[in-house]
Amino acid sequence: DSGVTQTPKHLITATGQRVTLRCSPRSGDLSVYWYQQSLDQGLQFLIQYYNGEERAKGNILERFSAQQFPDLHSELNLSSLELGDSALYFCASSPRGAGHYEQYFGPGTRLTVT
Amino acid sequence: ILNVEQSPQSLHVQEGDSTNFTCSFPSSNFYALHWYRWETAKSPEALFVMTLNGDEKKKGRISATLNTKEGYSYLYIKGSQPEDSATYLCAFIARGSTLGRLYFGRGTQLTVWP
Repeated sequence: DSGVTQTPKHLITATGQRVTLRCSPRSGDLSVYWYQQSLDQGLQFLIQYYNGEERAKGNILERFSAQQFPDLHSELNLSSLELGDSALYFCASSPRGAGHYEQYFGPGTRLTVT
Repeated sequence: ILNVEQSPQSLHVQEGDSTNFTCSFPSSNFYALHWYRWETAKSPEALFVMTLNGDEKKKGRISATLNTKEGYSYLYIKGSQPEDSATYLCAFIARGSTLGRLYFGRGTQLTVWP
């Protein structure tokens, strides 16, 4: 158990809908990262937050947005869902924002868009 | 987009064999390299964070080396066991505006047969 929690574990929804994925980092970690893993892709970095502020942005679609709250939990919002958004979404946390700290991954949320 | 290559894509070895695989990354703007172990149906687990040229890290039977000048890292597993079966991912972090963003390779899938 990494100490990072993600909810829900599974989500099935229809095209065009909007969903929110939630992540709680390890106690004391200030950085939260979001990743997407599709069947035909490796782990794709989406976005990073550090202590409530966006720190780095990756391959995140405009239909997706994220935020980190004062209690450091984070939410990833996916809207106007398409079939291609079906993927495993991981959240990870680390103590600080730079790359010298290993990331601790949550169990993931499996999103299926039908 | 930075290119991180891992080879081989997959590897099958017998229990007791030693094995190694490669992660190649851009040699310029190096900041850090991470290695993760990802078992099926679980989430990635950090093995090593490497930051200095010539770094060598070891955890039990697993070790890693780093050559930032030529842009590669090797992961070695001595005396492979069936429980070592997993996908091994490397992730590169570049110095500069994308600091904090991990660029993952596609991984090397290791299967150890008893």
